[in-house]
Amino acid sequence: NAGVTQTPKFQVLKTGQSMTLQCAQDMNHEYMSWYRQDPGMGLRLIHYSVGAGITDQGEVPNGYNVSRSTTEDFPLRLLSAAPSQTSVYFCASSYRGTNTGELFFGEGSRLTVL
Amino acid sequence: GEDVEQSLFLSVREGDSSVINCTYTDSSSTYLYWYKQEPGAGLQLLTYIFSNMDMKQDQRLTVLLNKKDKHLSLRIADTQTGDSAIYFCAESLMNYQLIWGAGTKLIIKP
Repeated sequence: NAGVTQTPKFQVLKTGQSMTLQCAQDMNHEYMSWYRQDPGMGLRLIHYSVGAGITDQGEVPNGYNVSRSTTEDFPLRLLSAAPSQTSVYFCASSYRGTNTGELFFGEGSRLTVL
Repeated sequence: GEDVEQSLFLSVREGDSSVINCTYTDSSSTYLYWYKQEPGAGLQLLTYIFSNMDMKQDQRLTVLLNKKDKHLSLRIADTQTGDSAIYFCAESLMNYQLIWGAGTKLIIKP
């Protein structure tokens, strides 16, 4: 059972480059989200989706785009990378049918922007 | 706005109890969570408590909720080296979003 799979695990970009972080889940979860984790700041929500074709902004959406064409996949695109986007990115999903709202996390993608 | 606060570090001796504290601001939270993050890994749900409960116990873990003071704590009995991790407190809002604390790094001394 794969759960939530993120690729790549590590990436180094130059300022201005674009890239896509991939996220896939095999649990048929309706809800998927992207967080960034920075030291001493906890998790901050970038974008989220409550189902295929539906996306919305979180707390820190600037500089990132998302799309949700299928239930399984939720890629995060960095349009023009900046050093401030150096962070660890986590994809998380949950099943909306329970009120507990447990989030299942991927292992993270560590991004460095030079 | 909504906020969740927790200390950044806690150091305890192996075998002692660890108590990690958290305060939150949104009184309408439905669930409060403790997630554990081991080095180089994603977060995993450790335990949760529904907002109308005062206490929840699960083996070595005890969660206490004081709604009046908006204070949540996680007690780990007989702390082991495998408990070394970052522990995140989070509260759920009515729109299913979570507000996260900054995480408490639990350091175990031999």
